[in-house]
Amino acid sequence: EAGVAQSPRYKIIEKRQSVAFWCNPISGHATLYWYQQILGQGPKLLIQFQNNGVVDDSQLPKDRFSAERLKGVDSTLKIQPAKLEDSAVYLCASSLSVHEQFFGPGTRLTVL
Amino acid sequence: SQQGEEDPQALSIQEGENATMNCSYKTSINNLQWYRQNSGRGLVHLILIRSNEREKHSGRLRVTLDTSKKSSSLLITASRAADTASYFCATDGLTSGSRLTFGEGTQLTVNP
Repeated sequence: EAGVAQSPRYKIIEKRQSVAFWCNPISGHATLYWYQQILGQGPKLLIQFQNNGVVDDSQLPKDRFSAERLKGVDSTLKIQPAKLEDSAVYLCASSLSVHEQFFGPGTRLTVL
Repeated sequence: SQQGEEDPQALSIQEGENATMNCSYKTSINNLQWYRQNSGRGLVHLILIRSNEREKHSGRLRVTLDTSKKSSSLLITASRAADTASYFCATDGLTSGSRLTFGEGTQLTVNP
């Protein structure tokens, strides 16, 4: 079974630029999550989708972050404009239930 | 802020020894999970323990849960070099819906 795919794996941008990350979840998983993991910390949930609807985006900085999941499959997370403190690994996960989430390899973002 | 706090932050042991990591959390939970993260990769689900369970085993893993103390421990027996990774506890709380909240993690190093 193919796992969660993410791209790109690495991205370096300058502050105030825009960036987008892509995620393809495991086939059949209705729930998709985006996490931000700052170095030395645990992942923090940014947004959770159930099919193409948002379940929880309470921790998403909506002034600069946006996410969508068109057709309830792939998802993109965008940051516009980026700040230095956005440097982190962005993890996508999918699941059939909250009890076991399957994570992708992540995108390491460096904002200079 | 993070729900869980792992202790210790870092642990270094020899192959064959046992490793114990602890997790404390703040609010009442439905379930507690442990995840492993190898360097530069996504997280892998290890085990889930429900709030009405006290102990659970899976292979070389043993998890305990004490809801009165709001704490959990993960024991890895007969450790191997391949167990070197960061270990995170994650909780889904009674008031947070299905959102998983991760702790800061314990970095385990198993020396051959």
